[in-house]
Amino acid sequence: EVQLVESGGGLVQPGRSLKLSCAASGFTFSNYDMAWVRQAPTKGLEWVASISTGGGNTYYRDSVKGRFTISRDNAKSTLYLQMDSLRSEDTATYYCASPHYGGFAYWGQGTLVTVSS
Amino acid sequence: DIVLTQSPALAVSLGQRATISCRASQSVSISRYNLMHWYQQKPGQQPKLLIYRASNLASGIPARFSGSGSGTDFTLTINPVQADDIATYYCQQSRESNTFGAGTKLELK
Repeated sequence: EVQLVESGGGLVQPGRSLKLSCAASGFTFSNYDMAWVRQAPTKGLEWVASISTGGGNTYYRDSVKGRFTISRDNAKSTLYLQMDSLRSEDTATYYCASPHYGGFAYWGQGTLVTVSS
Repeated sequence: DIVLTQSPALAVSLGQRATISCRASQSVSISRYNLMHWYQQKPGQQPKLLIYRASNLASGIPARFSGSGSGTDFTLTINPVQADDIATYYCQQSRESNTFGAGTKLELK
């Protein structure tokens, strides 16, 4: 059974940093691109970043470029999102997701990040 | 960026057909691939993939869900609607980066 388990969320002050992790199991992690998708409270889904199988290619939405870094450790089957210079508008539940044929077939349960003073 | 437009809400009776639409600001099709995908999300839960590449049923999804469309216009159909289908439905394109529609909340009439 495929499982994606996020961790690392919490309350953080504006301008500070936070690092999210996503532990994967039940599939060959190194064979799949991975992504982070977020959802602000009561709002819709928003793609944040994606990474290729080997980690050599990364992609970001414009609003997080230069502040967020997606990475992965295939030996540990773990995906990361380093979030720096956090803003109030980054407040959201962050999901890790695995794309298959372009659609996100597998999702974690999400971890809540709240940016507030 | 490709913008996806969905109606905010749709009211339907149990046992009837629900048709949810998604319009893209530009084509999301490449060759024979229509890079539009559909999700269901219930409150407090993560999204669930229903349909990938416009018309392919994801694993474990009941056959009452179907998808169609190409280019800029896509449709998710639920027929017949069951009580468990009351949720918010999102479309997503992967033609250029990834964007989601704002969601359509399916409500009971």
